[in-house]
Amino acid sequence: DIQMAQSPSSLSASVGDRVTITCRASQSISNFLSWYQQKPGKAPQVLIYAASTLQSGVPSRFRGSGAGTDFTLTISSLQPEDFATYYCQQSYSTPITFGQGTRLEIK
Amino acid sequence: QVQLQESGPGLVKPSQTLSLTCTVSGDSVNTGSYYWTWIRQPAGKGLEWIGRGHFSGSTNYNPSLNSRVSISVDTSKNQFSLRLTSVTAADTAVYYCARSFRVRGVNWFDPWGQGILVTVSS
Repeated sequence: DIQMAQSPSSLSASVGDRVTITCRASQSISNFLSWYQQKPGKAPQVLIYAASTLQSGVPSRFRGSGAGTDFTLTISSLQPEDFATYYCQQSYSTPITFGQGTRLEIK
Repeated sequence: QVQLQESGPGLVKPSQTLSLTCTVSGDSVNTGSYYWTWIRQPAGKGLEWIGRGHFSGSTNYNPSLNSRVSISVDTSKNQFSLRLTSVTAADTAVYYCARSFRVRGVNWFDPWGQGILVTVSS
C-alpha cells in the first residue's frame, strides 16, 4: 500500500493568514493526488484533484501543487469557513489511501 | 444535482453481516465513466477506502477487508450496495458512499453521501 503522510497534524491560524499543508507519498504517485475538506459531522468535499486542478465551485484561494512524492495545499487568505480538517488522497494504485488529516483551528 | 444517500441498519451484532445501500439520484449508476465507492471513518479518525464497483461488474477492494467485503451495483434500482461479513467492534464507523471520477487515471470522489453511523455491538 502507498502510505500518505500529512504535516502538520494540526495547525492554528488566524483569519487572513496564508497556510500550507504538506502531503508526502511513500513512493512516486505522479499527479494522482486529491485534496478534501471535512467539517465536523459532514462528509468530505473535494477541493483539488490531479494535484493542482481546482474543483468547480471551490474558491481560488485554494491552490494545490506538487508531483512525484511531495505535494502541498495552500490557502492564500484564510476565511472563517476554512477551519476544518483536510485530507490528501492518492489514486496511483489500489488500495486508494488517504493521509491522516490536518486539523486547521482558529488561533 | 447528483445526490447519494446511504441506508441500512445502524446497529449490527458481532459476527453478523453489515449491509448498506446507496441510492443515487440525478445520475445513473450505469454511466461507464464512474466507479461507485464505499469509504468509512471511525469516530475521531481518518478515512479508509473500502472498495468500488462498476456497473459492468468490475470491483476492487481494500486487501485489508478483501475476504469479507463485496460491492454490487443494481442498475434497475439505481443503487449500489456494500456487504461486510463477520463484523467486529473494529468495523464501527461512519460509512460513506461516493461517486468516483476517473480522468487520465486520477480518481477522486464527488459527491459523497451524508454518511451513516454503523455500530457493531451485542
